[in-house]
Amino acid sequence: DSGVTQTPKHLITATGQRVTLRCSPRSGDLSVYWYQQSLDQGLQFLIQYYNGEERAKGNILERFSAQQFPDLHSELNLSSLELGDSALYFCASSVSGQVNYEQYFGPGTRLTVT
Amino acid sequence: EDQVTQSPEALRLQEGESSSLNCSYTVSGLRGLFWYRQDPGKGPEFLFTLYSAGEEKEKERLKATLTKKESFLHITAPKPEDSATYLCAVQAGSGNTGKLIFGQGTTLQVKP
Repeated sequence: DSGVTQTPKHLITATGQRVTLRCSPRSGDLSVYWYQQSLDQGLQFLIQYYNGEERAKGNILERFSAQQFPDLHSELNLSSLELGDSALYFCASSVSGQVNYEQYFGPGTRLTVT
Repeated sequence: EDQVTQSPEALRLQEGESSSLNCSYTVSGLRGLFWYRQDPGKGPEFLFTLYSAGEEKEKERLKATLTKKESFLHITAPKPEDSATYLCAVQAGSGNTGKLIFGQGTTLQVKP
C-alpha cells in the first residue's frame, strides 16, 4: 500500500458526460501528479500540482482540468468524454514538487466510456 | 524530444534463470532515472532511483545500474512472484517539475 488513495476504483459512463476523479496524497506529500495509462500510449503525464498551485502540464486535453485543494487532495475533471478517453488514470504524490524525489502511485481509477 | 525506450517488450524466463532488462534514454539533462514494478490493474510500485552514471542499487533479487545512455535492471534467480511489468522513467531538463517520462515497459513472466 503506497498511502495514496483514489476514488472511485471503476467508472463507467457514456460519451459526452463529465466525471470527477479524486486523489488523496500520502501524508506529508505536497505534490500531486496525474497520469493516464492506455494500451497504446503507455503512462503519460497529464498535470502536476504543488501545494495548491499548478506546477507543470503535459499533453492534457482542454476538456480535462484539475485542481488541488487546501487539504492537498486533488481532483481531475474530465468532460465531453469520448471513447478514446477510456483508460486507467493514476494519481501519484511526492514530498517535493521538484526533481529527484520518487513518486508513489495510487491504485488508479479505471474509466470506461461507452 | 525526450524519449525512453525499453527492451525487450516481453521476456519469459524459467525460475532461477537470470537476465537483464534494458532502458535506453535520450533526454536533455538527466536528473534522475526511476524503476517501477506494475502488476496487472494496479498502480506502479517504486523500486529504485538512480542519479548518476556508475550508480548501482540492489533490492532482493533486483539490481539496477546506470550509464550515460542506458540503465539495466538485472534479475538474479527470479521466482514466479517476480512476474510483472517493469517500467523505466526519467526526470529531465532544468524545469522546476518532477514529471516522469515513462518507457513502454517490459513484461516479465517467470515460469516455475
